[in-house]
Amino acid sequence: AQSVAQPEDQVNVAEGNPLTVKCTYSVSGNPYLFWYVQYPNRGLQFLLKYITGDNLVKGSYGFEAEFNKSQTSFHLKKPSALVSDSALYFCAVRDKGGGNKLTFGTGTQLKVEL
Amino acid sequence: EAGVVQSPRYKIIEKKQPVAFWCNPISGHNTLYWYLQNLGQGPELLIRYENEEAVDDSQLPKDRFSAERLKGVDSTLKIQPAELGDSAVYLCASSLGTVAGGGTGELFFGEGSRLTVL
Repeated sequence: AQSVAQPEDQVNVAEGNPLTVKCTYSVSGNPYLFWYVQYPNRGLQFLLKYITGDNLVKGSYGFEAEFNKSQTSFHLKKPSALVSDSALYFCAVRDKGGGNKLTFGTGTQLKVEL
Repeated sequence: EAGVVQSPRYKIIEKKQPVAFWCNPISGHNTLYWYLQNLGQGPELLIRYENEEAVDDSQLPKDRFSAERLKGVDSTLKIQPAELGDSAVYLCASSLGTVAGGGTGELFFGEGSRLTVL
């Protein structure tokens, strides 16, 4: 069964500093990996995805993520955090051979402070 | 292009009452999902449709939950009777097939329907 782990319930960062939100995954085959963001009382919004190709993928709002197959990780990064980035972030994985089933992590609350 | 539309956004009912949620996916998206999200948790899949066929409903509590997707477009999720533990946000999402099949892979979510059972 596929699964995702987000080891940090909350990440606190000062505005202007780089941020990293961690994610590790487990699938039986090659993964499709996704990051979503959720603002209060809103649905999930797609940020970026890794399907194949370059290990560093760029997404919306200046976010990027690095796929590391040997460490089975897909950490979300941003060079300079903004207060408006404060939200709940979810990593998700889909097994390439598993159809359309997307499995989410438990989420990491990002808090960016002045 | 309109996104995934869900209604109602909020619903408060007493336990043992029935409730229904409606979802209209993005036009042309053949795959539709219902997810359950408890407070502070990640979404958990309840049921997935490929067109009008439910292809994964293993996590749907079938004693009280039911879903349908007539004509492969809109979908309705019903709970009857509702229990206190059903209080959560019910998210609908849609996608355009699989990446392997030429689709984009990512899911597009609606705003969710927040259920409170008293």
